Amino acid sequence: SQKIEQNSEALNIQEGKTATLTCNYTNYSPAYLQWYRQDPGRGPVFLLLIRENEKEKRKERLKVTFDTTLKQSLFHITASQPADSATYLCALLSFSGGYNKLIFGAGTRLAVHP
Amino acid sequence: DSGVTQTPKHLITATGQRVTLRCSPRSGDLSVYWYQQSLDQGLQFLIQYYNGEERAKGNILERFSAQQFPDLHSELNLSSLELGDSALYFCASSVRGSTGSGNTIYFGEGSWLTVV
Repeated sequence: SQKIEQNSEALNIQEGKTATLTCNYTNYSPAYLQWYRQDPGRGPVFLLLIRENEKEKRKERLKVTFDTTLKQSLFHITASQPADSATYLCALLSFSGGYNKLIFGAGTRLAVHP
Repeated sequence: DSGVTQTPKHLITATGQRVTLRCSPRSGDLSVYWYQQSLDQGLQFLIQYYNGEERAKGNILERFSAQQFPDLHSELNLSSLELGDSALYFCASSVRGSTGSGNTIYFGEGSWLTVV
């Protein structure tokens, strides 16, 4: 069956360090993968999109890698700040039943401590 | 502010009742998506409309239905409510009709539904 897996345990890191979050998927062949940030009780906010033919994408302190062989995406936040504390969701495109659908992982909660 | 507006923000209702959640997409967006988020399930895709027509369907229960009106706002109707329907319901919108092209979807702030 199709699965998107993100670490269910919270990731606690010290301010200034690099946070690395993992998204693994099985039985998908997504054309792209997206990362979103979600704060408690708020809607997810789009951060980055990476396509299957791209190995890496950067935006300011964010970096995303996409390895279609390993079926894995890594999301890095460098020089992390307490304001980066949130839940980060990966999402990928699933084509099933004749439709494209954006399917989300359960998310990983990141806590950056001063 | 994403530009997607959802009402009501909070709703408490009894089992067996019916509620309607409303969504106004961003100006110019033709697609509306509905997602359900509960503590143990994560974000679950329910249904998508594009310019008034149903475009994609996810794990939407038969007790739930949605529609998109000519002015592009959308409503999600939930009937015969059960305790397990308590969740945060998100509406999202995008310009184009297919997520296959990688277009970004923008989420509203959600409607909290509590069934008691």
